[in-house]
Amino acid sequence: IAGITQAPTSQILAAGRRMTLRCTQDMRHNAMYWYRQDLGLGLRLIHYSNTAGTTGKGEVPDGYSVSRANTDDFPLTLASAVPSQTSVYFCASSAGSGGHNEQFFGPGTRLTVL
Amino acid sequence: GQNIDQPTEMTATEGAIVQINCTYQTSGFNGLFWYQQHAGEAPTFLSYNVLDGLEEKGRFSSFLSRSKGYSYLLLKELQMKDSASYLCAFMDSNYQLIWGAGTKLIIKP
Repeated sequence: IAGITQAPTSQILAAGRRMTLRCTQDMRHNAMYWYRQDLGLGLRLIHYSNTAGTTGKGEVPDGYSVSRANTDDFPLTLASAVPSQTSVYFCASSAGSGGHNEQFFGPGTRLTVL
Repeated sequence: GQNIDQPTEMTATEGAIVQINCTYQTSGFNGLFWYQQHAGEAPTFLSYNVLDGLEEKGRFSSFLSRSKGYSYLLLKELQMKDSASYLCAFMDSNYQLIWGAGTKLIIKP
């Protein structure tokens, strides 16, 4: 693994189903983030984790949950998917959570909820 | 409140110079980032400004004026591969990034 990976690449999901998007980084970064990107809107933060064992809510957390059991992995779970969660989801990581800490992004997961 | 604004789309000619503007409003500020995003790909980091002034990095430069809530990204000697969206984001008082919707830059031969 080099950098940050996400799985699956794309998914079509029936409304009401549970889905977990996976994110793994091998850079030993402390901070990790989940964003969604919708046409005409900026990236919006869903949840974040400043260090393993801690998580926080971003701008649009409703309907999503995360866990950070270790440094490398940061899965995002949709408990019961709805069509408004159709989006491109990006996972990102940074060495630290403040100041000049550029975020490195995974390739994204394109999710369609029908 | 917080907000950030940048033009939706710009067109420029190969070999020319283009300036992409970004304005923002926030009560807490911890820096301004620019990212490049090619269609269907992930954003990649271009620049970070926290102090007023111009930061130059090869063909790309970024400027910040904190008092005006204003930044721009300057791209020189445009190449076709520069066709992409350019995302402006500021880091707020909680160290979270607030993103603009992005400026789609179209380069014509």
